[in-house]
Amino acid sequence: KNQVEQSPQSLIILEGKNCTLQCNYTVSPFSNLRWYKQDTGRGPVSLTIMTFSENTKSNGRYTATLDADTKQSSLHITASQLSDSASYICVVSGHGANNLFFGTGTRLTVIP
Amino acid sequence: GAVVSQHPSWVICKSGTSVKIECRSLDFQATTMFWYRQFPKQSLMLMATSNEGSKATYEQGVEKDKFLINHASLTLSTLTVTSAHPEDSSFYICSARDLGLAGPYNEQFFGPGTRLTVL
Repeated sequence: KNQVEQSPQSLIILEGKNCTLQCNYTVSPFSNLRWYKQDTGRGPVSLTIMTFSENTKSNGRYTATLDADTKQSSLHITASQLSDSASYICVVSGHGANNLFFGTGTRLTVIP
Repeated sequence: GAVVSQHPSWVICKSGTSVKIECRSLDFQATTMFWYRQFPKQSLMLMATSNEGSKATYEQGVEKDKFLINHASLTLSTLTVTSAHPEDSSFYICSARDLGLAGPYNEQFFGPGTRLTVL
């Protein structure tokens, strides 16, 4: 069964600290993995996308890693800001036009 | 580039009425549009896929007669929730893809969502 699991479900960190979010998947065949940021009441915004051959990708303070062998990905946020408070969703794409599998997200709260 | 808009951003309606939600690709032609529903603290769930000029393909468990989808042009898709009931209250998000822009990542671009509340 194609599944995407994220951990932790929620996380509270102090402003300025780093954090790492995890994503494990069982989607096969695998096409690519994306991390999205979703603010409350807004649509998801893409942070990073990685294919099988890419094992790390950065977007500012966000760095995603991918281990296609163990089917794990992480999203590392450096020097967190209050505006980083949001849900972070891991989405794995299988082959085919519409094969997106969504994780349930990690709710990150950054406090001053 | 690759901006998707939705209108309205929120709507409140009475039970039994119909509500139309628009999804527009502002700077590209969306050959395919997707409609998702998201309940509180849950992830997005795909409802249906629509290709311009053809009938939408609905996911299992989604009533096509209740959620009418029209994708009449390359920049506009509409979702009509017919005879809405309180259990239809949710956050509806569309996404759009242009095969010409999708690239190796088969990228979809998400709209900002529409919050529907049915009283």
